This record gives sequence, structure tokens and C-alpha cells, in this order.
Amino acid sequence: QSGLTQPPSASGTPGQRVTISCSGSSSNIGTGTVNWFQQLPGTAPKLLIYSNSHRPSGVPDRFSGSKSGTSASLAISGLQSEDEADYYCAAWDDSLGSYVFGSGTKVTV
Amino acid sequence: EVQLVESGGGLVKPGGSVRLSCVVSGITFSKAWMSWVRQAPGKGPEWVGRIYSKNDGGAIAYAAPVKDRFTISRDDSKNTLYLQMNSLKTEDTALYYCTTPSGTYYGSPYVFDIWGQGTMVTVSS
Repeated sequence: QSGLTQPPSASGTPGQRVTISCSGSSSNIGTGTVNWFQQLPGTAPKLLIYSNSHRPSGVPDRFSGSKSGTSASLAISGLQSEDEADYYCAAWDDSLGSYVFGSGTKVTV
Repeated sequence: EVQLVESGGGLVKPGGSVRLSCVVSGITFSKAWMSWVRQAPGKGPEWVGRIYSKNDGGAIAYAAPVKDRFTISRDDSKNTLYLQMNSLKTEDTALYYCTTPSGTYYGSPYVFDIWGQGTMVTVSS
């Protein structure tokens, strides 16, 4: 069972801003950093944000991440049709001694 | 070009064993921190385990559901990562990915920016 909770779905129209939450605890987000992954159907996950708010090279600046306390958020501004995908947060969990992925959020445009 | 190519998946009976391989090219494999991540059909990704580089101590960690049944190893001379899976259960059915950070500059072994295409393991009688 995942220690990171995300809303199962989110939606928006093209151009809108969508925010996805990731709720954790003091044993994971509260003490470490959060990474975000995007997964398109039939493909491997793609790193979107690392260390809470950093974008790897090639990721559009429409994607941004933040962390506060035991929660994190991913924001997608200027929503585009190609952003329709599943999004997962992830972090190391000290209590579990394991890297955990969130429950996932399906974004519909 | 960086490439991770997994192989070894297939249909296995409950209680059986299988060994997955992941051949890595385009990065200095001996310095790479490698992980296995699996994804059951229709489910989210699940981290399976990680192995550090020998230079960083070679420590291995496993997720609770696979501990004592799965073994991660590496052969730096062959640029290959392995996952030995024993005592397989139906709930181990998943697409198995190998993944790694493209560089140690990320400062974390879990910034997975390089992924293979995955190899499917189906555990069924």
C-alpha cells in the first residue's frame, strides 16, 4: 500500500491550470524530497520534476512542483492535450525503508 | 544514446523462478545506481529494489513484498543488471523496468530519468 495519497483524477480545458496534490507523512515527504513522473499509455514513466521543484532538461516550464511540510503539489499551467496522462509522485519512506510511488492521478484534458 | 534493455520475462508457474537482465549502454554502468520498478496491469509503479555502485559500497535494498524472494545483482564487466526472482506469486505479475539516474549529479539514486522498455512477467498456473 502506498504511503503517498493522490486524487484519482483531475481535469481541465486547454490553457487552464491544473494542480495535483500528493499527501504523505513525516516519514516520507516530511523528511525527504519528492519526484514527479508522467506516464503516457503504453510507455515507461518519465521524470517530470525532481527534488521537489527542479525540472530535468527538456521538460517544459509549464510543469512546476512544490513541497510544504508533508505534502507536495504538481502544477500544470497552459494545459495541452498532450498532457493527458497519469501522474505519480514518489519519495523515500524512512519507516518502510522503501521508495514509494503515489497512488496516481489521471489527468484528462 | 543511453539505452536500457530488459529481457528474461515470460510465463512462470506460482512457486517458480525467473531471472531478468537489463543491459545498459551509453552511461558508465559501473558508476550507476540501478533500480528495478514494476507495474502490475492497470496499477501504478512499484519500486522493487536498488543496488549502488561498487564504488559507493554496493548496498542493496528491497521493497518489503519481495524481500527474501528477489535478489538484485550486477556484472559491471557486462554492463548488466540482474533480478533473480524466486518463489513467485501471482501478485508478482507485472511489467518489470530497470531504471537509473543519468548521473550522480542528481545526488539521489531515485531520480529515475532513464528507463528501459520493460519485460513482462506473468505468474500463472
